[in-house]
Amino acid sequence: NAGVTQTPKFQVLKTGQSMTLQCAQDMNHEYMSWYRQDPGMGLRLIHYSVGAGITDQGEVPNGYNVSRSTTEDFPLRLLSAAPSQTSVYFCASRRPVSLNTEAFFGQGTRLTVV
Amino acid sequence: AQTVTQSQPEMSVQEAETVTLSCTYDTSESDYYLFWYKQPPSRQMILVIRQEAYKQQNATENRFSVNFQKAAKSFSLKISDSQLGDAAMYFCAYRSASGANNLFFGTGTRLTVIP
Repeated sequence: NAGVTQTPKFQVLKTGQSMTLQCAQDMNHEYMSWYRQDPGMGLRLIHYSVGAGITDQGEVPNGYNVSRSTTEDFPLRLLSAAPSQTSVYFCASRRPVSLNTEAFFGQGTRLTVV
Repeated sequence: AQTVTQSQPEMSVQEAETVTLSCTYDTSESDYYLFWYKQPPSRQMILVIRQEAYKQQNATENRFSVNFQKAAKSFSLKISDSQLGDAAMYFCAYRSASGANNLFFGTGTRLTVIP
């Protein structure tokens, strides 16, 4: 059981480049989300999805796009990377929002924008 | 967004001793869930313990227990018989029982365990 898989684990981008952080889960979880973790600021919600075809913004959505075409995948796109997007990114998933279930996290992607 | 506050950026404890990590939160809701997550150097987020707001009894998981004070909006984590493997960042988190049920995190407490 792979759980939540994030790729890549590390990435260096130049300012203005674009890239997609991949997130896949094999637990048939309806809910998926993306967080960024910065020193002294904890984890902040970027975007989330309560099911295939449904996405919504979190606390810090600017500069990021998401889509949810399948239950399994929830990619995060940076269209034009900026140094302020240097961070560790986490994807998480869990079962339907109506249930009291724990969230499962990927191992994170450390992104550096130079 | 809900506000979760961890006022202790760093804490230390002697091995085998007990330490308490503090967390307060701000909400107008009556039904919600609270969590403590551990993040070791591997970056993996590990659920330590959770508490349902409608339960008055404090949650316990082996050496980990919470002191949940709903009226005070306080949710502290007590680690008993601290072990070297407990050294990590600890995050307190809040989740509503309604709506999208997103998790909101505090800023974390870095726990050092001294041999």
